[in-house]
Amino acid sequence: DTEVTQTPKHLVMGMTNKKSLKCEQHMGHRAMYWYKQKAKKPPELMFVYSYEKLSINESVPSRFSPECPNSSLLNLHLHALQPEDSALYLCASSLGRGLNEKLFFGSGTQLSVL
Amino acid sequence: DQQVKQNSPSLSVQEGRISILNCDYTNSMFDYFLWYKKYPAEGPTFLISISSIKDKNEDGRFTVFLNKSAKHLSLHIVPSQPGDSAVYFCAASPGTGGSYIPTFGRGTSLIVHP
Repeated sequence: DTEVTQTPKHLVMGMTNKKSLKCEQHMGHRAMYWYKQKAKKPPELMFVYSYEKLSINESVPSRFSPECPNSSLLNLHLHALQPEDSALYLCASSLGRGLNEKLFFGSGTQLSVL
Repeated sequence: DQQVKQNSPSLSVQEGRISILNCDYTNSMFDYFLWYKKYPAEGPTFLISISSIKDKNEDGRFTVFLNKSAKHLSLHIVPSQPGDSAVYFCAASPGTGGSYIPTFGRGTSLIVHP
């Protein structure tokens, strides 16, 4: 299994809603990532979990809350988002050895905030 | 300040011809380089990588060339096919230790005409 699976594929939410994005991998990878990507821009790093511990938080607003329940799962909890948060949210994973890391990406969740 | 630059936002090529996508970087600590391919509304897919100890890496129709002294790499696709039409991201990382997370360029949109 060489896939990173993200659900849902599409999400529309209001500014007062609470929702969660889910990501799963069964490649034994110990590093997992959340990226945000807007059209015609590169993926923008949000969070990195290494061995289930949050190792990088790129000054992301608190309305985004990551969670890593175990080594295979990564969640992103969303609350009180703004319309400018509409984007493709990508999950990725890698071996986590800190050596020539090759990231494997999921298909993403296309999020629209109304 | 972009550490990884893809100065051509788009490239148009005839089917069967060579596609050459270029990437420049400024951080001399980068020593591991990757190319990703991305279709609309999907996550980036790893294509090919190269370590700084090499100047060329080939995988089927895809070849990456690295010129460390010029801090430049290029991806050659020969022969180009319509299915290669996608956005190509160049990424670079220090390879070992420190912040091993790849830094992405802004991408080049390749269109291969039948």
